[in-house]
Amino acid sequence: AQSVTQPDIHITVSEGASLELRCNYSYGATPYLFWYVQSPGQGLQLLLKYFSGDTLVQGIKGFEAEFKRSQSSFNLRKPSVHWSDAAEYFCAALSIQAGTALIFGKGTTLSVSS
Amino acid sequence: DSGVTQTPKHLITATGQRVTLRCSPRSGDLSVYWYQQSLDQGLQFLIQYYNGEERAKGNILERFSAQQFPDLHSELNLSSLELGDSALYFCASSPGTAGGEKLFFGSGTQLSVL
Repeated sequence: AQSVTQPDIHITVSEGASLELRCNYSYGATPYLFWYVQSPGQGLQLLLKYFSGDTLVQGIKGFEAEFKRSQSSFNLRKPSVHWSDAAEYFCAALSIQAGTALIFGKGTTLSVSS
Repeated sequence: DSGVTQTPKHLITATGQRVTLRCSPRSGDLSVYWYQQSLDQGLQFLIQYYNGEERAKGNILERFSAQQFPDLHSELNLSSLELGDSALYFCASSPGTAGGEKLFFGSGTQLSVL
């Protein structure tokens, strides 16, 4: 069955430090891949998406993600974290063959320490 | 503001009861998706409607049902509620049927079953 795995439940990063959030997917073919962010009390907001082409994708708020087919991964990165980045981050995948709805990972909570 | 409106924001009810959650999609969006977010299961896709018709079904219980009305708003009906149904229920909308690219989320309805 199709699945998206985020191995880290909770990560704490110092403000100004770099960030990498991990995401692995299990699909028959390469799905479309997404990262969403959820701030407390808010809905989800799309950070970036990968459909095809360049494997390094730029998103909003200074985030980027790299697609690695050999590792079935789509990790989210940011060079310098700001306190306002503290939130929950969800990796998601969409396979047209499997259906039209996004499948989400269980999320990674990011805390930012000063 | 995503443009997706969910009401009510909070709902407290008792086991065995029935509740209705309402969602108004963004203007012009034809698809509505319902997701359930809980601590143990994460974000689970429940069901999708497109222009009034059921489009895709996920992990939706038989006690749950949904519909999309001619004005495109949607309602999620939860009946014979159990403690385990306590969760945050999100509605999302998109212009077309493959919602990954342009999925806009509401801020959710927090359901507490006591």
